[in-house]
Amino acid sequence: DQQVKQNSPSLSVQEGRISILNCDYTNSMFDYFLWYKKYPAEGPTFLISISSIKDKNEDGRFTVFLNKSAKHLSLHIVPSQPGDSAVYFCAAIGGPSGTYKYIFGTGTRLKVLA
Amino acid sequence: GAGVSQSPSNKVTEKGKDVELRCDPISGHTALYWYRQSLGQGLEFLIYFQGNSAPDKSGLPSDRFSAERTGGSVSTLTIQRTQQEDSAVYLCASSLNRVDSGNTIYFGEGSWLTVV
Repeated sequence: DQQVKQNSPSLSVQEGRISILNCDYTNSMFDYFLWYKKYPAEGPTFLISISSIKDKNEDGRFTVFLNKSAKHLSLHIVPSQPGDSAVYFCAAIGGPSGTYKYIFGTGTRLKVLA
Repeated sequence: GAGVSQSPSNKVTEKGKDVELRCDPISGHTALYWYRQSLGQGLEFLIYFQGNSAPDKSGLPSDRFSAERTGGSVSTLTIQRTQQEDSAVYLCASSLNRVDSGNTIYFGEGSWLTVV
């Protein structure tokens, strides 16, 4: 049972344009969401997060939007740069006491074309 | 060191042999996670340690996999009688405290396992 889903395995975007990466979740008890970026042969690194009490969080070129009613979050990168090319994982955490573990999506490979 | 440290970084082993992968979490981090990523796949949860609580082993794929965490710090993931489908990068991560869901987790560089 995949509780966190990234339905697009890959995405190509022209440099300077907006990249939109999507993530859906099924567990309404998740209360914190994160995005991680992973380059080949490296461990994932934290990018941006959002609490369920917010619907938007912005950090420079990166903005995460959360739609709790739709159980959907998205990461916007504007403007996209070639260095943004990587695999992006969304993650969710939350639940009854004792179940706080991070659940990751399967990732979306972003390619920014110069 | 300042980050999560994993060893070995690369391991090639023969099918049927046992392997041990080691993780040194960030000092002071009470939560430790093991994930693996097979080629073309997402991050698969394996096991989660939190302080002195019983570990959450719900992600371990078979009884050939086990993990322990000694002294609340270093963790070892052991794979017995390795199979070719065990080939993957095994990622360790740590975080401060599960209670505060605002904490991010920090990943090591991974241990790349190839079973031939």
